Amino acid sequence: RKEVEQDPGPFNVPEGATVAFNCTYSNSASQSFFWYRQDCRKEPKLLMSVYSSGNEDGRFTAQLNRASQYISLLIRDSKLSDSATYLCVVREGAGGGNKLTFGTGTQLKVEL
Amino acid sequence: EAGVVQSPRYKIIEKKQPVAFWCNPISGHNTLYWYRQNLGQGPELLIRYENEEAVDDSQLPKDRFSAERLKGVDSTLKIQPAELGDSAVYLCASSSIYDGTGDGYTFGSGTRLTVV
Repeated sequence: RKEVEQDPGPFNVPEGATVAFNCTYSNSASQSFFWYRQDCRKEPKLLMSVYSSGNEDGRFTAQLNRASQYISLLIRDSKLSDSATYLCVVREGAGGGNKLTFGTGTQLKVEL
Repeated sequence: EAGVVQSPRYKIIEKKQPVAFWCNPISGHNTLYWYRQNLGQGPELLIRYENEEAVDDSQLPKDRFSAERLKGVDSTLKIQPAELGDSAVYLCASSSIYDGTGDGYTFGSGTRLTVV
C-alpha cells in the first residue's frame, strides 16, 4: 500500500465547475500536510499548506481529518489555468528539513 | 533570488553509460534532496542531505547510484551504469531546518533523463 494515495484522474470539468480531490495517508506520525501543483513538464510547486482547522486561499479550500487520515482540496469556479496535476503531500516532521512523501497526483483538465 | 538550479535540463544516453546531474540549492538552505519522478507518479526521495551529511539514503539504489555534497552546498548525483528503467525526471530540492512551517521547500526544474 502506498503511503499517500490519490485518485489519478483525469478529472475533466467545465470552466466554472467545483471539483474536489481526496487523499489518504497511512503514516499516523505525519505532522504536516500540503497540496502541490505540477504543470506539465514542470517542477512541483507549493499550492497551499493544510491545517487541522481547514484553510482557504481564494477559490481553494483544504481540509484535514487526522482521525481518518484524510486530506481534501476543493476548487471552486474552475479556470482553464487550473489545469494541472495536484499532488497530495505529507511530512513526518513539523518543520523544514524533513522529507516530503508525495501521492501519485490527480490530473485536472478544465475545459471550455 | 535565484531558485534551486539544476543542470543539465535534458540528457539522453545509451544504456550502460554513466551520467551525472548537478544541483545548486537556494543560498542558506542546509537540507538538500534528490527525488526521482517516473511518468505518471509523484516524486520519490532518493537521498537527503543535512549540510554535507547524507541522513537518509535508504531509497538510493547503491549498486549504481551515488551522490555527494562535499562542501555542504551544491551536490552531484551519478548513475553508473545507467539502465533503461532509470529514465525519469531527477528533481533536486532544498529547504532550511530552521523553517518552522516547511513552506520554503523549493524544487529545481529537474533533469529529464532518457536511457536508450
